[in-house]
Amino acid sequence: QKEVEQNSGPLSVPEGAIASLNCTYSDRGSQSFFWYRQYSGKSPELIMSIYSNGDKEDGRFTAQLNKASQYVSLLIRDSQPSDSATYLCAVKSSGYSTLTFGKGTMLLVSP
Amino acid sequence: DTAVSQTPKYLVTQMGNDKSIKCEQNLGHDTMYWYKQDSKKFLKIMFSYNNKELIINETVPNRFSPKSPDKAHLNLHINSLELGDSAVYFCASSPMILETQYFGPGTRLLVL
Repeated sequence: QKEVEQNSGPLSVPEGAIASLNCTYSDRGSQSFFWYRQYSGKSPELIMSIYSNGDKEDGRFTAQLNKASQYVSLLIRDSQPSDSATYLCAVKSSGYSTLTFGKGTMLLVSP
Repeated sequence: DTAVSQTPKYLVTQMGNDKSIKCEQNLGHDTMYWYKQDSKKFLKIMFSYNNKELIINETVPNRFSPKSPDKAHLNLHINSLELGDSAVYFCASSPMILETQYFGPGTRLLVL
């Protein structure tokens, strides 16, 4: 059973702070990692993908991957109230033809 | 232009009824998926088709039957609806198996 674990939150941060969202996965052979954002009542939308160890930056978002520790994170700099949403970590496991999603972390950014 | 569309957006029905949900993508993708998101927001894969061929069939009751008439469409038919089927059903597509998935707006199913 492939597992992807996330703290359900809510994670509360003030506006302008850095929000750090974490995800661990069970399959050491996992190859591709994705972060999706889901607003309440809406569908998941892709924010970042990462495939190799290290950091990947896109605007205010930075994804970090550590395959040895089986850990992937998402940092959101200068958090805005509009970032308030549930963030889903998704992992493509070896030998599996789709993504396994975590249960998501709810982020609340207060003005 | 809507990339991945689903109909209907809302579906309220009685237990025991049969209903269908339709999905269409205009992205030219080869792979399409059905996910179920329950009240706890857990997103779980149900089925996946690649070029009209079923490639993933998770442990889903056989009351659920997907059909892909062509690679741009993936429909989901549900027989004998049960209370536990109430959830949001998302369709998604990706260019190839294992690539980034793009989600439709979801169909909110409520079984009374």
